[in-house]
Order: sequence, then structure tokens, then C-alpha cells
Amino acid sequence: GQNIDQPTEMTATEGAIVQINCTYQTSGFNGLFWYQQHAGEAPTFLSYNVLDGLEEKGRFSSFLSRSKGYSYLLLKELQMKDSASYLCAVRGSGGYQKVTFGIGTKLQVIP
Amino acid sequence: EPEVTQTPSHQVTQMGQEVILRCVPISNHLYFYWYRQILGQKVEFLVSFYNNEISEKSEIFDDQFSVERPDGSNFTLKIRSTKLEDSAMYFCASSETGHSSNQPQHFGDGTRLSIL
Repeated sequence: GQNIDQPTEMTATEGAIVQINCTYQTSGFNGLFWYQQHAGEAPTFLSYNVLDGLEEKGRFSSFLSRSKGYSYLLLKELQMKDSASYLCAVRGSGGYQKVTFGIGTKLQVIP
Repeated sequence: EPEVTQTPSHQVTQMGQEVILRCVPISNHLYFYWYRQILGQKVEFLVSFYNNEISEKSEIFDDQFSVERPDGSNFTLKIRSTKLEDSAMYFCASSETGHSSNQPQHFGDGTRLSIL
């Protein structure tokens, strides 16, 4: 089976850095995605990791450790518009396209 | 930038009726997906579709559900004999490639299905 854990809520200050953690237990592993979802809207793609290490994309970075079943999303220079849910999603080896989502971490950015 | 489009944005239906949710994937994409998200819960995979057939489906996707690509552009999800618990946001997604790829799935804005 697939199990993905991430904190349900976090609060951070505008301009600061926040790290959102995700741990997973899956039957096989074929990549981990991070999506952003504003309330009532569709998920939008942020990052993809399939090898260990850090992927950087502007203010957003994502890290993966396959041996630990662990990833984090790092958001720098937080802006108010970053207030959203951040979804960790894993593609296991049970199928080629099926992606299993975590519950999402609701991030609130405060002034 | 190309988008996945879904219609309608909101569908209200009486319990027991059939609904068809419509999606137009991005034109050069080959893999299509349906997900649902019950209010306050996580996004759940329903089905993936490639080369005019279902490639994977979850345990949620039972005989009540079916998908079809009736022409070269539309991708539909049919739900028969709707139940109250089918009320959710239904997202369509598409991707250029599938396995072993960093190509993400692009999501449409969703159809909010309300069963009365």
C-alpha cells in the first residue's frame, strides 16, 4: 500500500523560509511530486524528484532521500500569495501513472 | 500556455441520476487522468487512460464509473446511479508522457459535483 505523511498545517512569516516535510512508505518508488493548491482551485505542479538530492527552482527547492523515504519542500522569501496547501505525491511501482497524494499541508503566511 | 479545460464548472444532480463530466486535455498530451477530491480530503486517483484504453484504475473506480474519448479532443468521465458520497471536486489531468518521466500532470480547474 501507499502511505504519505505530511503536517496538516503550518504558519510562517512573510519574507521568511519554511520547510514542509513529507515521509512516505510505498510499494516501490518512481518519483515524488510537489503541487501547490489554493483553496477551491486545481493543484499546480511545483517540482519533481526521482534521484536523491536537491532540486532548485527559483524560490522553491525540493529535496529527496529515497533511503529514508523522505522529502521536503523549501520555500524562500515567503510572499502572502504562497498561502496555500502543498501536496506531496508519490508515484509507486504499482503502476506507471498512478500518483498517490498526501493530505496536503495548509500553509498560512502572515505579515 | 496550453491548459486542460473542464466543463461544467459545477454540476448539481439528483441522486440516482447519471452525470457526464467533460475534459479537453492539452492537445499534444497522450496520457489522461481523472482524480476526485472530497471536500477537506486528499486528492484521490481514479483512472488513467492511454492509447484509447484504461491503463490503470483505483479501487474507487468500480462499475459505476466509465471513461471515454469519444473524439480527438474530449475525455469524459461518466458516473451512473450517482450517490450522495459521489459529491466531490473531480479533476481531469493530462501529461505528455507517462512512466519514468519528469513530465508533470497538468490539472484542469475541476468540476464540482453536488449530489442532492
